[in-house]
Amino acid sequence: AQSVTQPDIHITVSEGASLELRCNYSYGATPYLFWYVQSPGQGLQLLLKYFSGDTLVQGIKGFEAEFKRSQSSFNLRKPSVHWSDAAEYFCAHTSGTYKYIFGTGTRLKVLA
Amino acid sequence: DGGITQSPKYLFRKEGQNVTLSCEQNLNHDAMYWYRQDPGQGLRLIYYSQIVNDFQKGDIAEGYSVSREKKESFPLTVTSAQKNPTAFYLCASSTGSGAGDEQFFGPGTRLTVL
Repeated sequence: AQSVTQPDIHITVSEGASLELRCNYSYGATPYLFWYVQSPGQGLQLLLKYFSGDTLVQGIKGFEAEFKRSQSSFNLRKPSVHWSDAAEYFCAHTSGTYKYIFGTGTRLKVLA
Repeated sequence: DGGITQSPKYLFRKEGQNVTLSCEQNLNHDAMYWYRQDPGQGLRLIYYSQIVNDFQKGDIAEGYSVSREKKESFPLTVTSAQKNPTAFYLCASSTGSGAGDEQFFGPGTRLTVL
């Protein structure tokens, strides 16, 4: 069965530090992969997506993600975190159908 | 501006009552979705619709019903048969091309059963 795993429930980083949020997926073929961000009590906003081609994907707000087929991973990174990045982050994938699989989310806390 | 609107933002229901959550989009998207979000469980699909007058059950459809009479509207009814309806409900839409297009989300409705 298709699945998405985000192994870190909570992550705390200091403002200005680098960030990496982990995401692993389970799917035989190359999936379509997404990272979304959710502020408290709000909907989800797309940060970036990977369909094919270059495995390093640039997104909004200075985020990037790297697709690694050998590790079935799609980790999200940011070189320098801002206090406004505090939110919950969701990794998701779809095989190209109408079924989207979401991870359980990683809540990011940023220390001033 | 194009987008998805959900109303109300907060909804309170007494046990045994049905309630309807509204979802409207002006993105001209064919596909629409309803998700339920509970702490620590991510998003779980309730129903989805690929086209007007057609919809399919998702993973947790029991106790919920939907309709898709217009392209821009996809209301969700939480019935009294839903045993634990207190949750955050998110509506989403996509072009429906089926080629892994991204989903656009509304701001959500928080339902609380009193």
